[in-house]
Amino acid sequence: DTGVSQDPRHKITKRGQNVTFRCDPISEHNRLYWYRQTLGQGPEFLTYFQNEAQLEKSRLLSDRFSAERPKGSFSTLEIQRTEQGDSAMYLCASSFGGGYTFGSGTRLTVV
Amino acid sequence: GENVEQHPSTLSVQEGDSAVIKCTYSDSASNYFPWYKQELGKRPQLIIDIRSNVGEKKDQRIAVTLNKTAKHFSLHITETQPEDSAVYFCAASEGYNTDKLIFGTGTRLQVFP
Repeated sequence: DTGVSQDPRHKITKRGQNVTFRCDPISEHNRLYWYRQTLGQGPEFLTYFQNEAQLEKSRLLSDRFSAERPKGSFSTLEIQRTEQGDSAMYLCASSFGGGYTFGSGTRLTVV
Repeated sequence: GENVEQHPSTLSVQEGDSAVIKCTYSDSASNYFPWYKQELGKRPQLIIDIRSNVGEKKDQRIAVTLNKTAKHFSLHITETQPEDSAVYFCAASEGYNTDKLIFGTGTRLQVFP
């Protein structure tokens, strides 16, 4: 287990298309988080899971965003009908309480 | 909800000097305060953290101090080296929920040889 893996690393999509990202956390970690980071800003909380339960979703997140963690292992983040404002780095992190271990992120560009 | 402010946004120091980055938080119930280092194009990495029952923690050249009364915490890097150049983010837990972190806007540290 080499850490938190995210796929793909980069995604370019046309406005209005749907995209899905995958995150594989560290296997012993029961908590999984999704954050969004834009240039010059800190990571912004989107949602998090404890095992398969989604415990919180940011009020800033529109209904176009959905996340799942069906078996308490990997997670997917889907964005429907993408908009240019969705362009950002999407970071996944996992933990077993305490500090996060981040993945390398998926950079989304909406054109 | 929790709000975290971080200063300065950029910091330039000469190699060997010290660097200090400061953060304030709004939620007096926050009890966990990690610091992350993010090099260009790489993932944020945890470098040090502190919990609210401790006032100071040190790890080699890095130290973090916490003032719960004033609701601020600081990162201190001594004897800076060029490889310390990166963006540093502070974070605070949202209340007692140490699972959810609210991040500051980051400090770009440049260490000149």
